[in-house]
Amino acid sequence: EAQVTQNPRYLITVTGKKLTVTCSQNMNHEYMSWYRQDPGLGLRQIYYSMNVEVTDKGDVPEGYKVSRKEKRNFPLILESPSPNQTSLYFCASNDRGRGPQYFGPGTRLLVL
Amino acid sequence: AQKITQTQPGMFVQEKEAVTLDCTYDTSDQSYGLFWYKQPSSGEMIFLIYQGSYDEQNATEGRYSLNFQKARKSANLVISASQLGDSAMYFCAMREGSGTYKYIFGTGTRLKVLA
Repeated sequence: EAQVTQNPRYLITVTGKKLTVTCSQNMNHEYMSWYRQDPGLGLRQIYYSMNVEVTDKGDVPEGYKVSRKEKRNFPLILESPSPNQTSLYFCASNDRGRGPQYFGPGTRLLVL
Repeated sequence: AQKITQTQPGMFVQEKEAVTLDCTYDTSDQSYGLFWYKQPSSGEMIFLIYQGSYDEQNATEGRYSLNFQKARKSANLVISASQLGDSAMYFCAMREGSGTYKYIFGTGTRLKVLA
């Protein structure tokens, strides 16, 4: 089954404790992206990657890091989480950055 | 700056009636893509329909159609024969052109279908 998976689905952590949210796709897509969703703000793009070792900033990259060492994986790293990073996070992928994106199920993060 | 505007935070529609969800966009690119996604209360993002900036005909997918008016920079979603299962949040999105492949989303419209 073609899918984008994210782990964990739910995470509660404390300020300053480094965390990683994993994202993996099995569709051989070149393009992968991370979004955060906050009430009243819709989805905002954090980072995206056109291919292995190629990443670019979206609209809200501050406080986040990403890496793309393999085509299928695109982890999101919060080196020192803060409460304003409490949000619902989505990973998505598509072929060559065109057409519809396939979204993961989302990761709900609470930073205390 | 590129922007997507959805001016209807919430809407009601009677079951079996048609409803139009508004979306306007702002871009200086000639090549771009417009998308609509549905997010039910369960939280997943479901792709509904896509319109490319060079597509001359309005996109249709089953009960969904996209009313694309390029000169007005609008890309409204029309849902025909609404069903209770259409109750959800709907997001309009744009893929920027010019090789950046950034995506911008609107703030969404929450649709409630009434029995």
